[in-house]
Amino acid sequence: RKEVEQDPGPFNVPEGATVAFNCTYSNSASQSFFWYRQDCRKEPKLLMSVYSSGNEDGRFTAQLNRASQYISLLIRDSKLSDSATYLCVAYPNYGQNFVFGPGTRLSVLP
Amino acid sequence: GAVVSQHPSRVICKSGTSVKIECRSLDFQATTMFWYRQFPKQSLMLMATSNEGSKATYEQGVEKDKFLINHASLTLSTLTVTSAHPEDSSFYICSARDSSGVWNEQFFGPGTRLTVL
Repeated sequence: RKEVEQDPGPFNVPEGATVAFNCTYSNSASQSFFWYRQDCRKEPKLLMSVYSSGNEDGRFTAQLNRASQYISLLIRDSKLSDSATYLCVAYPNYGQNFVFGPGTRLSVLP
Repeated sequence: GAVVSQHPSRVICKSGTSVKIECRSLDFQATTMFWYRQFPKQSLMLMATSNEGSKATYEQGVEKDKFLINHASLTLSTLTVTSAHPEDSSFYICSARDSSGVWNEQFFGPGTRLTVL
């Protein structure tokens, strides 16, 4: 079983749609979690950190459920510019390495 | 956020040659840098962790004699792909952890696209 798993995708949605990405992690000791966004042929860029209490940044909402070892990302009112691959990342502990999920590709269609 | 640069951004070379890729943290010190490889439509795969002043730690299946890593200063790590072959063609991305900043934040370089003919 992979340490971090994500919806296989791809997700093709119309502009304005709401889309949710799911992610699960196997290492219960993981301390921190992030969502990164990667555009085609570019490096990953931090989209947002994921806090236990849940957090929102504009149209983006991230949730963490430690009991279920589950992370989610909700994008409301999708824009064409949201088209990218979304990577779920778990960070086990200080000094250890990021563990990336395989990513879920999103295409927002006009 | 902090800036990490990579050079070159793109390289095309003949089979059998060696290619060096530089990763620099421009406005912060990084005792730890990471090297990833990404094949088309696949996720990032960690190749090795580069520690300033000591030997790199390689992930299982990554040949340390083929992928030479040097982290000579707090702002520079290099990855040399020795005797490159077409199967080494990939997108190589480095990231750096800010030694003085938020302990769980990493910043990624723009990547180097290697094509071996």
